[in-house]
Amino acid sequence: GAVVSQHPSRVICKSGTSVKIECRSLDFQATTMFWYRQFPKQSLMLMATSNEGSKATYEQGVEKDKFLINHASLTLSTLTVTSAHPEDSSFYICSAPPAGGNSYNEQFFGPGTRLTVL
Amino acid sequence: DAKTTQPPSMDCAEGRAANLPCNHSTISGNEYVYWYRQIHSQGPQYIIHGLKNNETNEMASLIITEDRKSSTLILPHATLRDTAVYYCIGLPAGYSTLTFGKGTMLLVSP
Repeated sequence: GAVVSQHPSRVICKSGTSVKIECRSLDFQATTMFWYRQFPKQSLMLMATSNEGSKATYEQGVEKDKFLINHASLTLSTLTVTSAHPEDSSFYICSAPPAGGNSYNEQFFGPGTRLTVL
Repeated sequence: DAKTTQPPSMDCAEGRAANLPCNHSTISGNEYVYWYRQIHSQGPQYIIHGLKNNETNEMASLIITEDRKSSTLILPHATLRDTAVYYCIGLPAGYSTLTFGKGTMLLVSP
């Protein structure tokens, strides 16, 4: 099956710093990628839709200036958490359906990035 | 997207069949039923999907009632590695945005 990677898998940073998380589709192209956030014991919450070559679409309540998304190529989307604070500590997960879609709507998820802000 | 309802947790003995129910009484005619699972601290994994016919693949079987108001995911021989949260999602064809509910925490025990 298709593979999506994330880097880093785990990051600890100080409050006020910025953290960049990469999401790569390794063996397929993705014009669209999705970014989710998951707090402990909760379900995944969609944060934004990343579109290659255009601006991301953010879900209601997600600050676009705080969570910067760049989808620079058909295989890479990045999420930058700017001026991170402890409440941003969470599990960040990306996903991608193959470009051109598929009739099954199967999405491939990355392994997630655990962010801890001290 | 159709609202789905799942039990919060279920237990299953290793080697036995795990039957996970999902109610989706408001599902519309063009919405598929998708199942994903998430093993602890990992990204979700696609399992199976169906519209109105029963489906089977190497991971599981999906039984959808004739009125499409509910479905059951069947793991025929559960293993310890099947311990995960299982999500049932209703989604129109060609629509990519997944909305995750609370899912069912399946615990497979020796």
